[in-house]
Amino acid sequence: TQLLEQSPQFLSIQEGENLTVYCNSSSVFSSLQWYRQEPGEGPVLLVTVVTGGEVKKLKRLTFQFGDARKDSSLHITAAQPGDTGLYLCAGRRDSSYKLIFGSGTRLLVRP
Amino acid sequence: SAVISQKPSRDICQRGTSLTIQCQVDSQVTMMFWYRQQPGQSLTLIATANQGSEATYESGFVIDKFPISRPNLTFSTLTVSNMSPEDSSIYLCSVGWDSPLHFGNGTRLTVT
Repeated sequence: TQLLEQSPQFLSIQEGENLTVYCNSSSVFSSLQWYRQEPGEGPVLLVTVVTGGEVKKLKRLTFQFGDARKDSSLHITAAQPGDTGLYLCAGRRDSSYKLIFGSGTRLLVRP
Repeated sequence: SAVISQKPSRDICQRGTSLTIQCQVDSQVTMMFWYRQQPGQSLTLIATANQGSEATYESGFVIDKFPISRPNLTFSTLTVSNMSPEDSSIYLCSVGWDSPLHFGNGTRLTVT
């Protein structure tokens, strides 16, 4: 059973469209990180959210941490082909140093 | 952020052999981790590499199969021993100050 479920698993959209990726759990996380991974490379950290209700923006990407710290979302505005990749959420529980990874969302943005 | 160099980037190995993967960081880090990732899938933690002591392994991973060394605060190795085709995967090194944060580019291993 995956502790962090991401949806959708796959997403294929046209350049210019908006999209939202969800990361859900029944457990509370002390912090949550979002990564993007491209083929042949390791995951690259996009953002870390630590406070319930927190919203962070990174250019066209908007990240939100749920009020109860059990879920998070990533919204991309006007997607570009360069946004193509595997998006992973990862959370830390309590005082554990371990990072629990979500199931991943594979995004394809068509020109 | 830390710059992580992982070697080799890829290898094709025969069943029954062993491969050692190196992870070098450009600055001292408190924690180093090893992950496994099936192509297109999420990441699974293999173990936490502890400097000066034995690595801490996750459920399903054992030291005899995945021996790990961490001689100092900037370097670690992971060995995949007595390989079988089921070990074909991407192996990733991760570093952080109190938890995993940054990742190397991974080693893509194919066992034939």
